[in-house]
Amino acid sequence: NAGVTQTPKFQVLKTGQSMTLQCAQDMNHEYMSWYRQDPGMGLRLIHYSVGAGITDQGEVPNGYNVSRSTTEDFPLRLLSAAPSQTSVYFCASSYPLAGGGNEQFFGPGTRLTVL
Amino acid sequence: AQSVTQPDIHITVSEGASLELRCNYSYGATPYLFWYVQSPGQGLQLLLKYFSGDTLVQGIKGFEAEFKRSQSSFNLRKPSVHWSDAAEYFCAVGEYGNKLVFGAGTILRVKS
Repeated sequence: NAGVTQTPKFQVLKTGQSMTLQCAQDMNHEYMSWYRQDPGMGLRLIHYSVGAGITDQGEVPNGYNVSRSTTEDFPLRLLSAAPSQTSVYFCASSYPLAGGGNEQFFGPGTRLTVL
Repeated sequence: AQSVTQPDIHITVSEGASLELRCNYSYGATPYLFWYVQSPGQGLQLLLKYFSGDTLVQGIKGFEAEFKRSQSSFNLRKPSVHWSDAAEYFCAVGEYGNKLVFGAGTILRVKS
């Protein structure tokens, strides 16, 4: 299994440009989520999905859109990039454990700079 | 609202010395608690997790953590630190392990 993959690894955008961060997993996990990591703030949840066709907002959803048309893919869209969206973005998928609870697997991250 | 506090932004320990990283959480229901480690430029690796049962949990790389409900704490420990342990460590709490709320992280430096 490739696990959770993210593309691109690095991206530089100009203010106002749009782009899509790709995330895919091959573990057949129902639950997927996007986080952003900023210095001194840890990771914060942007959006999450409990299965194909179902998405919901996390702690910091403004400026981001998501969709989940398949179990495998969970792209994150920036419609009009702003410098405040300069960050490292992590995608994660999780599966339920036999004893209860879930465990999340994180992708390698996408480092985004908005000028 | 859920929150996680890691009081120490940086910690420096000598190689071979013991380590304790502090984590306090605020959570309304049964907490699902995690510790992750991140090396520079890398993703997050799960060290250990606590859902229920024995309050002392063992993880990878010789780490352990103790859940103390009365203190709302989940501190990470290692008896003898190796230079390769230098990294950033994150404590997190989540709803059944999803929708994680992370602490700000503690950067561990190891001096030889």
